[in-house]
Amino acid sequence: QLVESGGGVVQPGRSLRLSCAAPGFTFSLYSLHWVRQAPGKGLDWVAVTSKDGTLEFYADSVKGRFTISRDNSKNTVFLQMNRLRGDDSGLYYCVQEVGAYGNFEYWGQGTPVTVSS
Amino acid sequence: QSALTQPASVSGSPGQSITISCTGTSTDVESYNLVSWYQQSPGKAPKVLIYEVSQRPSGVSNRFSGSKSGNTASLTISGLQAEDEADYYCMSHTSKPTPQWLFGGGTKLTVL
Repeated sequence: QLVESGGGVVQPGRSLRLSCAAPGFTFSLYSLHWVRQAPGKGLDWVAVTSKDGTLEFYADSVKGRFTISRDNSKNTVFLQMNRLRGDDSGLYYCVQEVGAYGNFEYWGQGTPVTVSS
Repeated sequence: QSALTQPASVSGSPGQSITISCTGTSTDVESYNLVSWYQQSPGKAPKVLIYEVSQRPSGVSNRFSGSKSGNTASLTISGLQAEDEADYYCMSHTSKPTPQWLFGGGTKLTVL
């Protein structure tokens, strides 16, 4: 089970840090992603961290503003979001990629982020 | 990178088959056999139906199947059931300009 936290309402230009805890399984075996969904809109991939945290990749829209990281000793992945904009608003899902590439098998319930003045 | 292109909506009657297309480019769908499909019901998190173009995770009904030709991937649902009414999203890997994943805009399936 993946449990996200840290969402909230924040002003444009400010920062927010999301967390995703994953108790109960061998966290370090899996790549972990953040995927977001604006209200009433489609899915939007945000970032991925590799199993050991040495590789990370980002969507063009967040590159240079967001940073994904993980602490395998605490079974937690983070998303540091800086210089937030209105179009960053949405429900942020933590997603576990299992086995094959692109098999986004386990999703959390999401944590909402609203960027508004 | 632009999102993959899906029809906004499709519909079908119970028992029928429908196909949802997902059109990409030479740098994503066409280049990689890394297309997956997700089903999302209202208020719920997405659920994977297909990965690597045509592979089904355990527990997913064999009524769902995937395929690809050139830059277009397809999801076929056979024997439509009322419970299949949901939003469906395709996703593909791309390495341009950097490794990332692209989603389609989503398709609303209505079971008549």
